Amino acid sequence: KAGVTQTPRYLIKTRGQQVTLSCSPISGHRSVSWYQQTPGQGLQFLFEYFSETQRNKGNFPGRFSGRQFSNSRSEMNVSTLELGDSALYLCASRPGTSAYYEQYFGPGTRLTVT
Amino acid sequence: QKEVEQNSGPLSVPEGAIASLNCTYSDRVSQSFFWYRQYSGKSPELIMSIYSNGDKEDGRFTAQLNKASQYVSLLIRDSQPSDSATYLCAVNMGGGADGLTFGKGTHLIIQP
Repeated sequence: KAGVTQTPRYLIKTRGQQVTLSCSPISGHRSVSWYQQTPGQGLQFLFEYFSETQRNKGNFPGRFSGRQFSNSRSEMNVSTLELGDSALYLCASRPGTSAYYEQYFGPGTRLTVT
Repeated sequence: QKEVEQNSGPLSVPEGAIASLNCTYSDRVSQSFFWYRQYSGKSPELIMSIYSNGDKEDGRFTAQLNKASQYVSLLIRDSQPSDSATYLCAVNMGGGADGLTFGKGTHLIIQP
C-alpha cells in the first residue's frame, strides 16, 4: 500500500506571498492532520480534517488554513508568509479520528521563506 | 498547558547495549501514546503505539506505559548504529479530539 505523499517536497517563497501544500493520504485513510516542525518549537499540530470538515485546530494564526476534498486529499494554505514560517510541513493520515488510530507521516514539504 | 517532556540528549549507548528513552506527559486523561523515530532530514516514522499500562514488545523494541506516573518509555535492545536517530514521544491528549502532542525528542547515538 502506498504511503502518504506530499507535494511539493521543497519550496522557496518570499515574505508576503502565499503558498499551498498538498497531501494525499494512505488509501482508505479518511483523516488527515498537518504539523509544522521547526528546530526551536519541534513538531506542532496545525489542524486535522475528516470527511471534508476541520475537526480541530492548533494554536496557529488564521493565516494558516486548510481543506479536504471528497477523496480525502488535503491542502494547506499559508497566506502573507513570514520568515518564521520557514519549516518542515508534515502531513499525517489515519483511518479515522479515534485516539487509538496510528498516524503515518508523509515525507514533508520543506518551506523556506526569504 | 498540555506538555510532553523528553530529555534532549544526546544519549550515547554502546552497540549491543540497551537504550532507554523516557517521556513524561501532563494530561492525565491521555489515551494513546506513540514513539516515532526521525532520521536527520527525514520525516517521523512510527515505531510503537501503546494504550494500556504495562509493556508492549515488538522485535527489539519495548514500550512501557505507567499512567499513574504519567510516564512512557522505549527500550531498544541490542542497539545498532542504524538506531542512531531522534526519538519522538507523542501523546494523544484531550480525549482524542486534539492532534498529537510531541516531545522535543531525544537524540540517540549508538557507538560502534
